[in-house]
Order: sequence, then structure tokens, then C-alpha cells
Amino acid sequence: RKEVEQDPGPFNVPEGATVAFNCTYSNSASQSFFWYRQDCRKEPKLLMSVYSSGNEDGRFTAQLNRASQYISLLIRDSKLSDSATYLCVVGGGYNKLIFGAGTRLAVHP
Amino acid sequence: GAVVSQHPSWVICKSGTSVKIECRSLDFQATTMFWYRQFPKQSLMLMATSNEGSKATYEQGVEKDKFLINHASLTLSTLTVTSAHPEDSSFYICGGTGTGDTQYFGPGTRLTVL
Repeated sequence: RKEVEQDPGPFNVPEGATVAFNCTYSNSASQSFFWYRQDCRKEPKLLMSVYSSGNEDGRFTAQLNRASQYISLLIRDSKLSDSATYLCVVGGGYNKLIFGAGTRLAVHP
Repeated sequence: GAVVSQHPSWVICKSGTSVKIECRSLDFQATTMFWYRQFPKQSLMLMATSNEGSKATYEQGVEKDKFLINHASLTLSTLTVTSAHPEDSSFYICGGTGTGDTQYFGPGTRLTVL
């Protein structure tokens, strides 16, 4: 079983749609969780950290369910510029990061 | 956020040659550097972790004699792919952490081995 699992997609949605991504992780001792965004042939960029209480940043909302070892990302009012691959990332101790394979999002006009 | 540079951004080489990739933290001191490899449509896979002045710690399955990592200063780490073969063709990305736990990534180096 992979340490971090994501639905690879692609998710093809129209502008303005709401889209949700899910992720599960295998190590119950994990303490830090993130969503990164990666554009084609570029490095990952931190989108947001994920906290147990849930957190929101503009159109983006992240949730963490430790009991189910499940992380989600909700994007509201999708923009064309949101098209990218979204990486679920879990801290692996000693500042290591464990990346999921990513979920591709394509937003069309 | 902090800035990490990588050089070169892309490289094409012949099979059997060695390639060195540099990773520099431009505005912070990277006490720990991480080297990742990403194959098409796959996740970033951690290859090794290096602390300044110490030997790198390699992940399982990564050959330390093939992927030489040097972290001689707090702002520079290098990865040398020795005797590169076509299967080493990949996107190599470095990440650095300073005093905090946020990891900042370089823009990546695309290696193509012919």
C-alpha cells in the first residue's frame, strides 16, 4: 500500500465549478499535512497546510480527519488558472515529506 | 517564501557520462537539503537527505555510489549522477529547510540521458 494515495484524475470541470480532492495516508503517527500545487514541468509550490480544525484560504478549504487518515481539498469557483496537479503531502518525520502521486485538475471555459 | 535555485535547469548527456546538479538556497541557510526524483505522471520520490557537513542519508533502493551528494555549505548542495544511463532520465528537484520545517523547492533539473 502506498504511503499517500490520491485519485489521479483527471478532473475536468467548467469554470466556476466546485471540485473536491481526497487523499488517504497510511502512517497514523503522521503529524503534518499539506497540499501542494505542481504545474507541468515545474517544482511543487505550497498551497496550504492542513490542520485538524480545518482551514480556509480564499476559495480553498482543507480538512483533516485523523481517525480516518483522510485529507481533503475543496476548491470553490474554479478558475482557469487553477488547472494543475494537486499533491497531497504528509510529513514523514525529520522534516521529510512524502508525496502522493497527485490529482490532475483541468478547468475549461 | 525563501528562494532555492537549481542549475542546470535541463541537461542532455550521453550514456556513461556524469552529470552534476547544483542546488543553492539564495536567501536562507539550508541546514537540511532533500533530493527528489520524479518520473512522468508519478509522485516525487525522496532519494536522500543531507545535513550540512554530514554524509547524506539515502532512501531504500537509491544507490549512494551512483548518486553522490555533497552538502559542503549551508547554501549549496550538489547531486552528481555518475555513469548516467537512459533509465536515470528524470526530473530532479531539491528542497531545503532552514530553522523552520517549511521546505522550499528548487525549480528542478530535467535530465535526459541518450
